[in-house]
Amino acid sequence: DSGVTQTPKHLITATGQRVTLRCSPRSGDLSVYWYQQSLDQGLQFLIQYYNGEERAKGNILERFSAQQFPDLHSELNLSSLELGDSALYFCASSVDLQNGELFFGEGSRLTVL
Amino acid sequence: GNSVTQMEGPVTLSEEAFLTINCTYTATGYPSLFWYVQYPGEGLQLLLKATKADDKGSNKGFEATYRKETTSFHLEKGSVQVSDSAVYFCAHNSGAGSYQLTFGKGTKLSVIP
Repeated sequence: DSGVTQTPKHLITATGQRVTLRCSPRSGDLSVYWYQQSLDQGLQFLIQYYNGEERAKGNILERFSAQQFPDLHSELNLSSLELGDSALYFCASSVDLQNGELFFGEGSRLTVL
Repeated sequence: GNSVTQMEGPVTLSEEAFLTINCTYTATGYPSLFWYVQYPGEGLQLLLKATKADDKGSNKGFEATYRKETTSFHLEKGSVQVSDSAVYFCAHNSGAGSYQLTFGKGTKLSVIP
């Protein structure tokens, strides 16, 4: 158990819909990262937050957004969903920015029909 | 840009065989290098890491040496077990003030008795 909690574990929805994925980082970790894992693209970095502020942006679509709340949990919002958004979305956390050791949750599997 | 290239899988080995998974990277600055492992149905977890040239990371019988001259970080294990069956990801942080990880596409290892 990494200590990172993601909900929901599975989500099935239709094209055009909007979903929210939730992540609670390990106790004490200030940095949260979101990754998308798909068969063809592998693990793609989406976005990183540190202590409530956005620190880095990767290949995140404009239809996607995220935030980190004062209690350090984070949410990833995916809107106007397309079939190609079907993937496993991982949240990871780390205690600081430099360590490089990320602790991953078990992921939220999104299926868009 | 930053990237990680690792050998294509899947790799199937018999128990007690020698394992090598090749990994090369492109990065700015002086990145730290990592191997993560993903067991079925789980999130990624850190296997080993190396933070500077010629460092050797090791854990659970796995080893990898940071080779700056060849920009490589190949993963090796002398005698694999069935329990090593998983997907292995090579990764680096860019080392240029940006601390999210860039991952390779993963190599699936299956070890048969």
